[in-house]
Amino acid sequence: AQKVTQAQTEISVVEKEDVTLDCVYETRDTTYYLFWYKQPPSGELVFLIRRNSFDEQNEISGRYSWNFQKSTSSFNFTITASQVVDSAVYFCALSEARYSSASKIIFGSGTRLSIRP
Amino acid sequence: EAGVVQSPRYKIIEKKQPVAFWCNPISGHNTLYWYRQNLGQGPELLIRYENEEAVDDSQLPKDRFSAERLKGVDSTLKIQPAELGDSAVYLCASSLASGSYEQYFGPGTRLTVT
Repeated sequence: AQKVTQAQTEISVVEKEDVTLDCVYETRDTTYYLFWYKQPPSGELVFLIRRNSFDEQNEISGRYSWNFQKSTSSFNFTITASQVVDSAVYFCALSEARYSSASKIIFGSGTRLSIRP
Repeated sequence: EAGVVQSPRYKIIEKKQPVAFWCNPISGHNTLYWYRQNLGQGPELLIRYENEEAVDDSQLPKDRFSAERLKGVDSTLKIQPAELGDSAVYLCASSLASGSYEQYFGPGTRLTVT
């Protein structure tokens, strides 16, 4: 069965610290996509990154980086030198790549990140 | 480019009353999603449309929820009658297609059933 687990419910760090948000997934498919979304206090989810199951290269975008490891079914997200504006709820999501009515999309329960000044 | 538009932003109704939410996706996006997000949880997919066809409504409580996307553009989600447990944020999202494409979310409708 398809599942996304974000075990960290809440994380609080002081500004400028590095922080890693964990995401572990389960799927029977060999082809799938993983996503991270950010939900700031305003409520609107914002897309951050997409990764397909065949691309295990880590990605860096400014202060953000993502570590995808198929061997451990994990897709972790690290914020370097955190800032107060990073405070939000972050969701990891899994989408099967089959273009059919059977393809499922599932979100994790989210990690609430608070950055203290 | 305009984002996903949802209305209303907030709705308070008494239980057993009907309620409807409206969503206009990003122009050109074929796939439209309705999610329910309970407090402290991630979005839960209720229904997904490919153009005007509902291709995944397995999580939609069909006894009281209905949805339509008649011309493959905007969509309406209805609850009749509403129950206390329906209080949540209802999110609409759209994407170019399913699978690999990122979703763009609207601001949501916060429903409170009293």
